[in-house]
Amino acid sequence: DQQVKQNSPSLSVQEGRISILNCDYTNSMFDYFLWYKKYPAEGPTFLISISSIKDKNEDGRFTVFLNKSAKHLSLHIVPSQPGDSAVYFCAASGFSGTYKYIFGTGTRLKVLA
Amino acid sequence: DTGVSQDPRHKITKRGQNVTFRCDPISEHNRLYWYRQTLGQGPEFLTYFQNEAQLEKSRLLSDRFSAERPKGSFSTLEIQRTEQGDSAMYLCASSLALRGGGRQAQYFGPGTRLLVL
Repeated sequence: DQQVKQNSPSLSVQEGRISILNCDYTNSMFDYFLWYKKYPAEGPTFLISISSIKDKNEDGRFTVFLNKSAKHLSLHIVPSQPGDSAVYFCAASGFSGTYKYIFGTGTRLKVLA
Repeated sequence: DTGVSQDPRHKITKRGQNVTFRCDPISEHNRLYWYRQTLGQGPEFLTYFQNEAQLEKSRLLSDRFSAERPKGSFSTLEIQRTEQGDSAMYLCASSLALRGGGRQAQYFGPGTRLLVL
């Protein structure tokens, strides 16, 4: 049972435009959500997180939006740069005594120069 | 650089052999996690330590897998009698437990890529 879903395996965006990556989850106990970026042959790099008490968190070019009623979060990258080309994973965690993350399957973003 | 480090970065072994991986977390982090990632999938949780105590193990962690964190600092993950299905990227991450139960992101190492022939 895939509790965290990234339904778009890939996305291409022109440099300078907005990239929007989406993630859906099914477990209402999740209360902390994160986005990671991964380059080939490297570990995931933390980008941004959001707690369930918020609906938006911004850090530079990256903004994460959380819609709890829809169980949906998205990552906006504005403006997109060629160096943003990577695989992006969303992850979720629930406050149930465990701190493990449940990851989606990733979306490969390609920013075209 | 004081990030999470893992050793070795690559390991090729024959089926049936034992392998051991090491993870050195960020020095002040008291939580340490192991994940496994296969092609086309996101990382999957294997086990979690708070200081030296192993507090959770996934059902993915068969009895051929064992992890330790003897002094609450570095950790090792051993796979006995490796099988071809064990081929994957093994990722270590660490985080700091915050007072009041606040959340902090997990920071990942570069991973150890295992290939079982």
